[in-house]
Amino acid sequence: IAGITQAPTSQILAAGRRMTLRCTQDMRHNAMYWYRQDLGLGLRLIHYSNTAGTTGKGEVPDGYSVSRANTDDFPLTLASAVPSQTSVYFCASGSPGTTQYFGPGTRLTVL
Amino acid sequence: AQSVAQPEDQVNVAEGNPLTVKCTYSVSGNPYLFWYVQYPNRGLQFLLKYITGDNLVKGSYGFEAEFNKSQTSFHLKKPSALVSDSALYFCAVRGNDMRFGAGTRLTVKP
Repeated sequence: IAGITQAPTSQILAAGRRMTLRCTQDMRHNAMYWYRQDLGLGLRLIHYSNTAGTTGKGEVPDGYSVSRANTDDFPLTLASAVPSQTSVYFCASGSPGTTQYFGPGTRLTVL
Repeated sequence: AQSVAQPEDQVNVAEGNPLTVKCTYSVSGNPYLFWYVQYPNRGLQFLLKYITGDNLVKGSYGFEAEFNKSQTSFHLKKPSALVSDSALYFCAVRGNDMRFGAGTRLTVKP
């Protein structure tokens, strides 16, 4: 079934720990995105990649890193998690400038 | 940078009545505008978009949106609301990247 998968579904993490959120799409979209969703703030773009091998910073990139080794995968890494990174994280894909398709999300709690 | 405003946190309508969810935007150049819907514990689902052409855009589930360049608005509408339309709605504008509004929670009461 075509779409976007994210793992894990949810995670509780101690502050200071490293964490990688996984995202995989099978729609062969060139562009992929990571957002965080916080109450009252909507979705904010963390990082994006317009094509494999390239990445760019979004609105709130600090404390996060990404890589895009191939078309399908776009992992998001928190090198040293902090409580303010408690959020719901959504991965999305699409052709640059057009409709984005979203994964089911990862609920992350940093204690 | 581009931005989107959704002035209402919450919209309540009775089933069968028309609904409007408001959105205004700011972007340099031609706007690419989108509406997404989010049901509980789910990711966002695409409803409709305006790129160019007719100012009235029709989308999924009977929703439509009207692009108004002079008012820089892109309000989401539906002629007859259903209880199942209750969800969180996001407006978004594409500039250098995609910017989303804070969301409007729509509640349709039977």
